[in-house]
Amino acid sequence: QVQLQESGPGLVKPSETLSLTCTVSDGSIGTYFWTWIRQPPGKGLEWIGFIDYSGSTSYNPSLKSRVTISVDTSKNQFSLKLSSVTAADTAIYYCARVRVYWFFDLWGRGTLVTVSS
Amino acid sequence: EIVLTQSPGTLSLSPGERATLSCRASQTISSSYLAWYQQKPGQAPRLLIYGTSSRATGIPDRFSGVGSGTDFTLTINRLEPEDFAVYYCQQYGSSPRVTFGQGTRLEIK
Repeated sequence: QVQLQESGPGLVKPSETLSLTCTVSDGSIGTYFWTWIRQPPGKGLEWIGFIDYSGSTSYNPSLKSRVTISVDTSKNQFSLKLSSVTAADTAIYYCARVRVYWFFDLWGRGTLVTVSS
Repeated sequence: EIVLTQSPGTLSLSPGERATLSCRASQTISSSYLAWYQQKPGQAPRLLIYGTSSRATGIPDRFSGVGSGTDFTLTINRLEPEDFAVYYCQQYGSSPRVTFGQGTRLEIK
């Protein structure tokens, strides 16, 4: 059964760049679109962006100037970079798989990233 | 931007009762692009319903979804103890491509 696993630093300093990777356990990264979603502690869900296997992306306009999502099909991974972070970027970051009608059927367990000096 | 407004914010019910959760969109959305998720504390969201009314794999038939245009509903019949959680609706459309409702907390009365 395919699984997604987020990895990366749990603590990032203000103004620095948050970097996370999502590893897809089987070879299906070349078959689907993938996405990052975040959730501030105790709050709701916010979509960050999509990427497909060719590297085409779509980002939330509210984050677009600071976000880069990339894919490495040779490693079965896709990644998130969020620059110039502030405390408002503290959240649980989830990676997920995108299905045909743009819903998310498979999620990673999430990783908490705290922005603090 | 399409805003999804969920109501009520909190719903208090007893096991065995029926829960009716609402998701209202600020603009008409395609029923193909409306999904519902369940999230329990400390867990990732879990897909329940996609395309307004199709149950995801492994979701029991006590969960059902209906709706069109701007009004969508998730109904949970015969509530089980494990159903008490937070529920989110989600849509795909124009920029920003994806938005979520703010969530409905279903709590045990």
